[in-house]
Amino acid sequence: QKEVEQDPGPLSVPEGAIVSLNCTYSNSAFQYFMWYRQYSRKGPELLMYTYSSGNKEDGRFTAQVDKSSKYISLFIRDSQPSDSATYLCAMSAGGNAGNMLTFGGGTRLMVKP
Amino acid sequence: DTAVSQTPKYLVTQMGNDKSIKCEQNLGHDTMYWYKQDSKKFLKIMFSYNNKELIINETVPNRFSPKSPDKAHLNLHINSLELGDSAVYFCASSETGTMNTGELFFGEGSRLTVL
Repeated sequence: QKEVEQDPGPLSVPEGAIVSLNCTYSNSAFQYFMWYRQYSRKGPELLMYTYSSGNKEDGRFTAQVDKSSKYISLFIRDSQPSDSATYLCAMSAGGNAGNMLTFGGGTRLMVKP
Repeated sequence: DTAVSQTPKYLVTQMGNDKSIKCEQNLGHDTMYWYKQDSKKFLKIMFSYNNKELIINETVPNRFSPKSPDKAHLNLHINSLELGDSAVYFCASSETGTMNTGELFFGEGSRLTVL
């Protein structure tokens, strides 16, 4: 069993839909939670960052962390074709582990016009 | 002005050959990484260097040898290439210290195909 599990998709939605992307994890030491977006043939780029449990909103994107359930989510409102990409969750324990990020396998999202 | 640049973008080579990938960052970061992304998009850390010192060395065959001549450069040399080495290799950099948010800045990747 991988430390971080993520449904690979692909997830296909119509433009304007609300998208929910999720990851589960097993390591209770994880405190820092991130979502990266990766366009085809490009490197991943940071989309959202959350420390510990709670919600964080940035425009159309909302990240949620539930440490008690070891479950994180990314919601995309009013999805656009430009949101079509692979979304990777990532997490770390911080401290001496620093930037030792553990990634999920990514969910491929396709938003159709 | 590319922040993290790696070359070459594509390599196609035969089994048994040796190849190198170069990486440079102009962000002033003091930590650099090599990640391997397989065909299922799974990103796995291989190495991490902080100020030219190796700090993370995951279970990677010793055919892979990273070299950091200075904190802005981290190169990856691979000896005796095998079919299973085919993947996309990403270089990344980050800040360290108490203010770091865990954000990694990735290059565009080097797609290695071993025939």
